Amino acid sequence: DQQVKQNSPSLSVQEGRISILNCDYTNSMFDYFLWYKKYPAEGPTFLISISSIKDKNEDGRFTVFLNKSAKHLSLHIVPSQPGDSAVYFCAASALGFSGGSNYKLTFGKGTLLTVNP
Amino acid sequence: DSGVTQTPKHLITATGQRVTLRCSPRSGDLSVYWYQQSLDQGLQFLIQYYNGEERAKGNILERFSAQQFPDLHSELNLSSLELGDSALYFCASSFSGTGLDIQYFGAGTRLSVL
Repeated sequence: DQQVKQNSPSLSVQEGRISILNCDYTNSMFDYFLWYKKYPAEGPTFLISISSIKDKNEDGRFTVFLNKSAKHLSLHIVPSQPGDSAVYFCAASALGFSGGSNYKLTFGKGTLLTVNP
Repeated sequence: DSGVTQTPKHLITATGQRVTLRCSPRSGDLSVYWYQQSLDQGLQFLIQYYNGEERAKGNILERFSAQQFPDLHSELNLSSLELGDSALYFCASSFSGTGLDIQYFGAGTRLSVL
């Protein structure tokens, strides 16, 4: 049962345009969401996060939007650059729960973003 | 460079064998996490340690075990290996092991079971 879904395995965008990566979740207890970026032969690197008390968080060219009613979040990259080409993972956790498994991150399968020069 | 070191980078072994994967966390980090990434899958959380104690457990098989030592490095032991255990195994570390911590990942160990 996949609780975090990234339905697009890949996305191709022209340099300078907007990249929009989508993520859906099914567990209504998730209240903290993160995006990680992964280059080949490297581990995932934290990019940006958002708490469920917000609907938007911005950091430079990266903005994450959260729609709780739709259980959907998206990562916008504007403008896209060739160096942004990587696999992007959406992850979620349920911080509000008590118990030892609070801090477990549940990851999606990832979306490969290719930014063409 | 995340500061998290995983060894070895690659491991090739046969079914039925036992292997040990090693992880050194970032300096100052007290918590270590292990994840498995199989082909076309997201990262699956296996287990978390904080300052030597097990804190959270995910989808970790009984054939797998882990520990965190007093110097805070961690080892993941995989035994009675099966073909399906072939995967990338990532270790991550964070300072306090709480939910708002950023987890810093190592480059992973690629395990191939033949």
